[in-house]
Amino acid sequence: DADVTQTPRNRITKTGKRIMLECSQTKGHDRMYWYRQDPGLGLRLIYYSFDVKDINKGEISDGYSVSRQAQAKFSLSLESAIPNQTALYFCATSDLQLGTDTQYFGPGTRLTVL
Amino acid sequence: GENVEQHPSTLSVQEGDSAVIKCTYSDSASNYFPWYKQELGKRPQLIIDIRSNVGEKKDQRIAVTLNKTAKHFSLHITETQPEDSAVYFCAEGSIYNQGGKLIFGQGTELSVKP
Repeated sequence: DADVTQTPRNRITKTGKRIMLECSQTKGHDRMYWYRQDPGLGLRLIYYSFDVKDINKGEISDGYSVSRQAQAKFSLSLESAIPNQTALYFCATSDLQLGTDTQYFGPGTRLTVL
Repeated sequence: GENVEQHPSTLSVQEGDSAVIKCTYSDSASNYFPWYKQELGKRPQLIIDIRSNVGEKKDQRIAVTLNKTAKHFSLHITETQPEDSAVYFCAEGSIYNQGGKLIFGQGTELSVKP
């Protein structure tokens, strides 16, 4: 689904570095999300935004921050990366319609913190 | 708080057999229960969803059942095929009253052996 894109797709960084992961969407959706995926732990919600002026913490927001620069863009930052933030990160969008709320995921960013 | 338990974590079946994955949720306010499929190296994609006012929903070989009293919902795949091999995630959420945040289960890795 090329409507939701993430950059970079892969990133290797060192402990203590600041990292920004970017997400863009052309679906025109108001709602955007950031998840991390770890083996055996599923998809855990980091932050979510229901419109440009709305930012909410998810299950595991400590160590992360976000910025909703526009309806189409939602960035995730790791202010000072640590090894246990090594994971696969997904951005997603949705457009809440009565009766359903399909989330459309980006291709993912694989982050390794050494 | 919100929590979704998913079982089993791994499931291996012979082609043509049925597969059942079960989830238990804790939030009584949840009224929307989607299932996502993630093929190896790919992004999660919605395969079926159910609302709390419906007990069962079918789409070809897949079906989802919901027991609101017990707070259980299950995914049933009949006549499994090798292309059904993937990780499956259940989730709970609310699609009314400004809802839209999903909490995912830990995932089930399904392997269908030819």
